Formats: sequence, C-alpha cells, structure tokens
Amino acid sequence: QSVLTQPPSASGTPGQRVTISCSGSRSNIGRNYIYWYRQLPETAPKLLIYRDNERPSGVPDRFSGSKSGTSAFLAISGLRSEDEADYYCATWDDSLTGWVFGGGTKLTVL
Amino acid sequence: QVQLQESGPGLVKPSQTLSLTCTVSGGSISSVNYYWSWIRQPAGKGLEWIGRVFTSASTNYNPSLKSRVTISVDTSKNQFSLRLTSVTAADTAVYYCARDGGWSGHGFDVWGQGTSITVSS
Repeated sequence: QSVLTQPPSASGTPGQRVTISCSGSRSNIGRNYIYWYRQLPETAPKLLIYRDNERPSGVPDRFSGSKSGTSAFLAISGLRSEDEADYYCATWDDSLTGWVFGGGTKLTVL
Repeated sequence: QVQLQESGPGLVKPSQTLSLTCTVSGGSISSVNYYWSWIRQPAGKGLEWIGRVFTSASTNYNPSLKSRVTISVDTSKNQFSLRLTSVTAADTAVYYCARDGGWSGHGFDVWGQGTSITVSS
C-alpha cells in the first residue's frame, strides 16, 4: 500500500490529452514539492517534472504538472505512442521523514 | 555530466547481508547541494525509497526498513554504499542509486542503471 495513491492505469489515443492523478495528505503533498518520473520497460526512471510544475531540460512542454491541496496531477497533451510508460509521483513526507512514491500508473496509448 | 553506477553480488542467500556500492563519476559526492539515495523496485511493482546519505554522513531511512539498513559514504572513493541485513525473498528487486536534490527541489535527477538482486538459497 503506497502512501501516495495513483490510478493503476490510464489510456488515450494519439493526440489526446491525458491526466494522471496523485493523492496524498497534508504531511506530504500538502507541504512539499511533487515530482513525476517516467519509466520505460527495463530502464531506470527518469525525472519528468520537479518542484510541482517545472520541466528538466529536454522534457517537452507537452508534459505539465499541477497541484491542488493534497493532490497533484500530471497532464500529457498531444499524446504519442512513445509516451507509453509507467509514471510515478513522489514527494517528501514530513511525518515519515522520507521520500514516498505513488504506486505508479501504466499509460497505454491506444 | 554526473553518472551513477551500482555494483553488487547479484545473488544473496536468505538471512545474509546485502551490500551494494554506487560509484559517482563526473561530479563530487561531497557536494553540499545533494543527498545520495537508494531506491528499489521488485519485479512488476512500484518504486520504494530505502534511504539516503549526505556528504556529512547524516542519513535518513525508510521507517519500514530502518532496523535493517545502513547507508554510508566514502568521499575518498566518490562512492556511497547500502547494507541491508537479514534479507529475505521480499528483498529481491532491482536496486537503483540516485542523486537526491533534497531541499533544492531537484528531486532524483540522476539515476544509475540499476542492479538486479535475487535473494535465494
């Protein structure tokens, strides 16, 4: 059971906009930055969004992050087949004094 | 740019101690801007943060693993290490080391490729 709750799966067709949610609590998302990671099969995760809504160099602006209260959202617009991957949210938890991850969302491009 | 590389035994017997090392290249582990974390992922499952170390050797651990985990840093070798005692099959996973931006807000911005660890007799 993960501290952060994500839907196990999401899907969309090419060109669509998809949103993945991440639900937490006041001790984690409510107080700290949210981060999003993308993981392709058999590879290490890669940072996609940091500080709630900032993109590292090289990440296209099709990817955007937002946060409201104790929930966070990753939006992917102009969906492409190569966006098929597992997506994880993460944040610091003040009560646990440690990083916590969501269980991951498997995105399928139909 | 900074690169991380895990090294470890691949196979560990139940009840024994797992030891992994992460070698940092292209940057200094002594940077005051970063922590250095270990994260693991059982096959087909999600990511689990194990713990982290700072250049000063201060640490934070996942409460669920704290009693069995030690993370240390060797600045002379630009390495940090993980020690996990009394392993069981539940510790079988891919183990990643990652640069941890801590309070800077950069998240886990650099990852190693991961090393697969199997706990089996």
